[in-house]
Amino acid sequence: AQSVTQLGSHVSVSEGALVLLRCNYSSSVPPYLFWYVQYPNQGLQLLLKYTSAATLVKGINGFEAEFKKSETSFHLTKPSAHMSDAAEYFCAVSVRTGNQFYFGTGTSLTVIP
Amino acid sequence: KAGVTQTPRYLIKTRGQQVTLSCSPISGHRSVSWYQQTPGQGLQFLFEYFSETQRNKGNFPGRFSGRQFSNSRSEMNVSTLELGDSALYLCASSLEVAGRQETQYFGPGTRLLVL
Repeated sequence: AQSVTQLGSHVSVSEGALVLLRCNYSSSVPPYLFWYVQYPNQGLQLLLKYTSAATLVKGINGFEAEFKKSETSFHLTKPSAHMSDAAEYFCAVSVRTGNQFYFGTGTSLTVIP
Repeated sequence: KAGVTQTPRYLIKTRGQQVTLSCSPISGHRSVSWYQQTPGQGLQFLFEYFSETQRNKGNFPGRFSGRQFSNSRSEMNVSTLELGDSALYLCASSLEVAGRQETQYFGPGTRLLVL
């Protein structure tokens, strides 16, 4: 069975500090992996994606994520948090089996000034 | 290229009524998925349509239904509305590449309030 686990439903960081949002997946076949961001009362916006090319993926707004097959992880990082990064972040996986897209439960990021 | 559009953006209904929400995907995208998002339950998958056929379905009661037209536009319908149906309903479209959905692109959502 395929699934996505996001550790930590709420994460707080100080402005300027490292942002680390964790995502682990389970998939019996090589997945496509995604991170999305959602601001209040808006739809989800794609931050970055991994589709079996380079394992370190750079996205918008200074975010990046590294695909680690041995750890089945796809953690999202940003070296220095900005107030505008406060939002909900979702990790997702797309698998060939059943042609389905699975989302994690989301992590709410708070940035403290 | 225009993004995913959803209409209406906001809707107020009363219990027992029915509602139809519309989604126009990105041009060329044949897969359309619907999600319900609430503070308590998070993002929950409703169903996915591909080439006018429901391909995947989440765990929602039969009051929730959908369809897709030949131009890939999709509608979802909720009958006999309940207070708990108040939510943000999100639509996403995607291309299918090598047998899987490549990336889902989301619309702004329809905010439904049931009184």
